[in-house]
Amino acid sequence: GAGVSQSPRYKVAKRGQDVALRCDPISGHVSLFWYQQALGQGPEFLTYFQNEAQLDKSGLPSDRFFAERPEGSVSTLKIQRTQQEDSAVYLCASSLFSGGKGATIHNEQFFGPGTRLTVL
Amino acid sequence: AQSVSQHNHHVILSEAASLELGCNYSYGGTVNLFWYVQYPGQHLQLLLKYFSGDPLVKGIKGFEAEFIKSKFSFNLRKPSVQWSDTAEYFCAASGAIYRATASKLTFGTGTRLQVTL
Repeated sequence: GAGVSQSPRYKVAKRGQDVALRCDPISGHVSLFWYQQALGQGPEFLTYFQNEAQLDKSGLPSDRFFAERPEGSVSTLKIQRTQQEDSAVYLCASSLFSGGKGATIHNEQFFGPGTRLTVL
Repeated sequence: AQSVSQHNHHVILSEAASLELGCNYSYGGTVNLFWYVQYPGQHLQLLLKYFSGDPLVKGIKGFEAEFIKSKFSFNLRKPSVQWSDTAEYFCAASGAIYRATASKLTFGTGTRLQVTL
């Protein structure tokens, strides 16, 4: 498909369980973002990758949250020892970014459908 | 700190009414501004964006927004709403893109628009 895909779409976890959420960005998109959207709120930034490099993880709420993008395409967000406050929709977005002198820079982010995580 | 405020949390309009949703931002330096829409059961989609140039930006489905730098505002407008515009609308901002890195989005809390027949 042409868009960003995420799996699973829904995940129910017992408190204390580890979960892994997957994001497949649009092919060729260099930048990849993870956001967390709590009920009734706007998305909040978690972390950002440029290719395989994690350049910003300032939004990760605790050291239980870990993200990786080892080959610069698919990304996984892992949450260890889940807590009830982790219940939210986790959104992935990708954008085409071309750096370097004279390059055109794009910042339009394309979002996936999200993974709704419910921690019981 | 960077922030985006949306003052209207829930708006109910009749079809054909005019729409204006408020958005104010607080950002240091150059800012890029966006409006995203989330239809029921669907993912976030970009409605329109402002990077530079003409402060009146036209987007898809007849939406437009005006960047007023002096008011730190980027309000969304549509002259005549349709039932199919029922959705949640998010204003977002990011810093200007520098060579080293792309820029994360800061979102407002969203405005739920309900259009009645």
